[in-house]
Amino acid sequence: GQQVMQIPQYQHVQEGEDFTTYCNSSTTLSNIQWYKQRPGGHPVFLIQLVKSGEVKKQKRLTFQFGEAKKNSSLHITATQTTDVGTYFCAGPSGGSNYKLTFGKGTLLTVNP
Amino acid sequence: NAGVTQTPKFRVLKTGQSMTLLCAQDMNHEYMYWYRQDPGMGLRLIHYSVGEGTTAKGEVPDGYNVSRLKKQNFLLGLESAAPSQTSVYFCASSYDRGQGIYGYTFGSGTRLTVV
Repeated sequence: GQQVMQIPQYQHVQEGEDFTTYCNSSTTLSNIQWYKQRPGGHPVFLIQLVKSGEVKKQKRLTFQFGEAKKNSSLHITATQTTDVGTYFCAGPSGGSNYKLTFGKGTLLTVNP
Repeated sequence: NAGVTQTPKFRVLKTGQSMTLLCAQDMNHEYMYWYRQDPGMGLRLIHYSVGEGTTAKGEVPDGYNVSRLKKQNFLLGLESAAPSQTSVYFCASSYDRGQGIYGYTFGSGTRLTVV
């Protein structure tokens, strides 16, 4: 079945450093979504990317969808302690647009 | 709007007991889902529904049943709980705005421990 792989599994940074997490799919995706889960919380939708090569920004967060629509990245500039959490990517699974397969996530910790 | 509401938030079951987790959404979303989250395993789909009266199996459906008698509610049942079902369960809902399903709205989760 379709797999969505994320690297790294963990990332610890000093406040102010940049952070990037990568997502790779075994199949071409119609879209990719990113979620953030704070410790003890629930996943919260951040963004959806649809177009090949698409780049979207949300303040210090930059999301990119690969040209082949099989990979994506999330980059955070100048991390803050509020960025702590697990970041998940997710893509439509099993040829269906009705359900998502999630990557295992990247846990980001920030040292103040 | 409350969004997606899950009840209960916490539960401890003994092996072999049964229970039902309730998920309710007030956004008129067509699609609803049950995921479980375990350390190191990410989010795994148990069952999902693409509309009232419909259900389908996800990645890890064994030991669970679901029902969606009303559009706003999606129930997850455990008929005979096992320790392997100790997990955090998340319900989510979504809709299609023309480019595939848009972002999930998740509930706050149910932490279930089976002893």
